[in-house]
Amino acid sequence: DTGVSQDPRHKITKRGQNVTFRCDPISEHNRLYWYRQTLGQGPEFLTYFQNEAQLEKSRLLSDRFSAERPKGSFSTLEIQRTEQGDSAMYLCASSPGLAGGLSEQFFGPGTRLTVL
Amino acid sequence: LAKTTQPISMDSYEGQEVNITCSHNNIATNDYITWYQQFPSQGPRFIIQGYKTKVTNEVASLFIPADRKSSTLSLPRVSLSDTAVYYCLVGINTDKLIFGTGTRLQVFP
Repeated sequence: DTGVSQDPRHKITKRGQNVTFRCDPISEHNRLYWYRQTLGQGPEFLTYFQNEAQLEKSRLLSDRFSAERPKGSFSTLEIQRTEQGDSAMYLCASSPGLAGGLSEQFFGPGTRLTVL
Repeated sequence: LAKTTQPISMDSYEGQEVNITCSHNNIATNDYITWYQQFPSQGPRFIIQGYKTKVTNEVASLFIPADRKSSTLSLPRVSLSDTAVYYCLVGINTDKLIFGTGTRLQVFP
């Protein structure tokens, strides 16, 4: 399967613990995005990378959140000192980043985080 | 990015054509209109994108009137597998997709 993959698919943690999610984009895509989705709502943009450079971060991405994309390949999203409000589906997407920014985004299956 | 308004939910039966309308009164001259589909426990999937008039692909058609203040996603002959949430997005820069709450389509046998 050459689509976007995410690991783990599910994560249950206790409040205050740190968690890290991984996203492997489609190999030839240079843009990678992170979104968060809560029940009944559409996905909310968190951040995105052009190759290894993090170009934009939403204000939703508090200082407890950090994302990296070393070498412009896979990406990790870490949440420190998790809170119950962090419970959500975390979605990763990638795109080829065509000129004009109109290329579609290909989403992974998401990582569902539950903070107890 | 322009704000969009869609119906919260719609019901249909198998074999019928479904039209989901999205209002975007403040669309800018350079904005494109894009629709995504999302099944439960999956990430959204791109359906179609257009700028004006009509766009058609293998799964849907997108109708955009001349004033571009609304658009209609048309799904021909829906099946049970088309039950999903459909999102209308408007903007020029698709690097930061802004999703609303979408339209929940339920298809009945």
